[in-house]
Formats: sequence, C-alpha cells, structure tokens
Amino acid sequence: QSVLTQPPSVSGAPGQRITISCTGSSSNIGAGYDVHWYQQLPGTAPRLLIYGNNNRPSGVPDRFSGSKSDTAASLAITGLQADDEADYYCHSFDRSLHAYVFGPGTEVTVL
Amino acid sequence: QLQESGPGLVKSSETLSLTCIVSSVSIGPNDHYWAWIRQSPEKGLEWIGSINFRGSTSYTPSLRSRVTMSVDTANNRFSLELTSVTAADTAVYYCARHSGSEGGQRWFDPWGQGTLVTVSS
Repeated sequence: QSVLTQPPSVSGAPGQRITISCTGSSSNIGAGYDVHWYQQLPGTAPRLLIYGNNNRPSGVPDRFSGSKSDTAASLAITGLQADDEADYYCHSFDRSLHAYVFGPGTEVTVL
Repeated sequence: QLQESGPGLVKSSETLSLTCIVSSVSIGPNDHYWAWIRQSPEKGLEWIGSINFRGSTSYTPSLRSRVTMSVDTANNRFSLELTSVTAADTAVYYCARHSGSEGGQRWFDPWGQGTLVTVSS
C-alpha cells in the first residue's frame, strides 16, 4: 500500500475541468518534499507532466497545472480532451522510508 | 534518449541484469542521477535505485540487499543487477534520468520505453 493516496478514477466531459488529489503525510509531502506528476498513456512509459509542485516541462500544455498545500497536492486538467485519457501518478520522497515513492495512480476517463 | 536492454525471461533464484543506453545527453560529469524504476500490477510504480556518474548510489531499502547498480561513462550507459529473483520481481523495468538539484526533490525525466522481465520457475 502506497504512502501517497490517489482516487482510483476520475471522469469528466470534454471541455470540463477535473482535479486529481494526492494525499500524503508529514513524512513526505508535509515534510516539504516536492510533488511531481506523470501521465501514462496506454502501453507507453510514464511522461513527466509537472515537476516541483507546479512547473511544466516544455511541451506540456498549460491546461495542466499542479499545486501543493500541507500534506496534499493536486493536478488540475482544464479543457479536458479525449487524448487526456490516461493514468496519472503523483511522486514524492518519503523520509521515513528513505525512498522515492509513487501514488497508486488515477485513471482519467473522458465521457 | 534512454533504451533498456536485457533478457526478457529470467529463471527464479537467478540474477536479473539490465542495461540502459543513454543517447543525446552525457551521463556525466553533471548533476544528474540515473534511475531504475519498475512497474507491476501488484505494486504499481516502484523506485529501485539511482546512480550518478561517480558511481554514488542510493537504493530503495526493500531491495537494497539484492540490488547493485553500476555506471559506464565511457559508453554512456548504466546497469542494474537484481539477485535471487522470484515471481514477485516480474515487472516492466524502466530506466530514467533522475533530475533535480537536491536529494529528495528529484524527478524522473525522460524515461526509457521499458522492458518486460518475466521471472519463470
């Protein structure tokens, strides 16, 4: 069981805004460690979407944004599109485990 | 930019060996680390360990007794060895650049395409 918690699935209609939560604890997100987000399309490797809580790598649309507060973080997707259907993972560091950890992933479905 | 290579099938109790060939960017000298991550339906994404161009390593505690990573700067590649494998080690193995300036704050980008390793009895 992961130390980072995500909802198993989130869905929305095209054009809508959705958010994916990532809940941690005082050993990881709450300890000041950054949260990063990855998108994994079916059959492909994960791709960096957000790094350092709220920074987008070049090539990532500004429809994707990240935020962090206390022991949790969120990924928001605005203007939802069909090709946003994928699994999304949050990632941080846990000082109790002395390990980089991932959330279990959230499956996004576009209705 | 990163490409995993190695056997897709390993027998139980033997050693899993993979290599990641890095292209278009130098393994070092620089501030980057280079990582192995695996993904299975049972455990999800799991960080295995990271290494820099000097050979300085950090491993996830649960695998530390079985993992060895090494780096070959002359050929711009790094490797993973995982000993005494069991069915629980069956997964897609990814290599990735472990970027960022501070330990604990790093992220993985880019990733290789991944290679499926199956442990057979």
